[in-house]
Amino acid sequence: KAGVTQTPRYLIKTRGQQVTLSCSPISGHRSVSWYQQTPGQGLQFLFEYFSETQRNKGNFPGRFSGRQFSNSRSEMNVSTLELGDSALYLCASSPGLAAGGTGELFFGEGSRLTVL
Amino acid sequence: SQQGEEDPQALSIQEGENATMNCSYKTSINNLQWYRQNSGRGLVHLILIRSNEREKHSGRLRVTLDTSKKSSSLLITASRAADTASYFCATDADNNDMRFGAGTRLTVKP
Repeated sequence: KAGVTQTPRYLIKTRGQQVTLSCSPISGHRSVSWYQQTPGQGLQFLFEYFSETQRNKGNFPGRFSGRQFSNSRSEMNVSTLELGDSALYLCASSPGLAAGGTGELFFGEGSRLTVL
Repeated sequence: SQQGEEDPQALSIQEGENATMNCSYKTSINNLQWYRQNSGRGLVHLILIRSNEREKHSGRLRVTLDTSKKSSSLLITASRAADTASYFCATDADNNDMRFGAGTRLTVKP
């Protein structure tokens, strides 16, 4: 099976712009989680989607949003970018516990966002 | 917010030595997992230990879990230069939300 695919891998934006990141999970995985990783804050949970429903959300402002499509692909959007949004954004998929998953997350390589 | 906290933040050892990393967490868990991350890459799952387990092995990895102390340790035996990476513990505060610690940066010198 192909792994988790995130696009784009690298992008540069300026303050005030918005950005959309995409994540294609492993085939058959219905749960997609997003994380922000920065040197200062470490790995911070953004949100988790399962079957197109957001089940959980981390402590981020409303500028951070996401969605999941019927094919389980997910996107996250950050509006009105700030310098502090520069980070590695990681997507992870899993089958979901109800589908026999163990809770293990399968990560993509991430999208590195630089805000100038 | 982070659930787990790893200790030490950084560890430097020689090839062939053992490396031990610790993780403490705050709330009750169903399971605890350890992940590895090579610089700037995605995380890779190493091992999962359930709350009713006390010890688990996988190759050169040994994980222990003490739920009374809310702590876990990861031991890598006979380390190799290729083990150089950051190691994170993760806990499921609830089943839909995995929380990660700040990580331990391991450097194995050849």
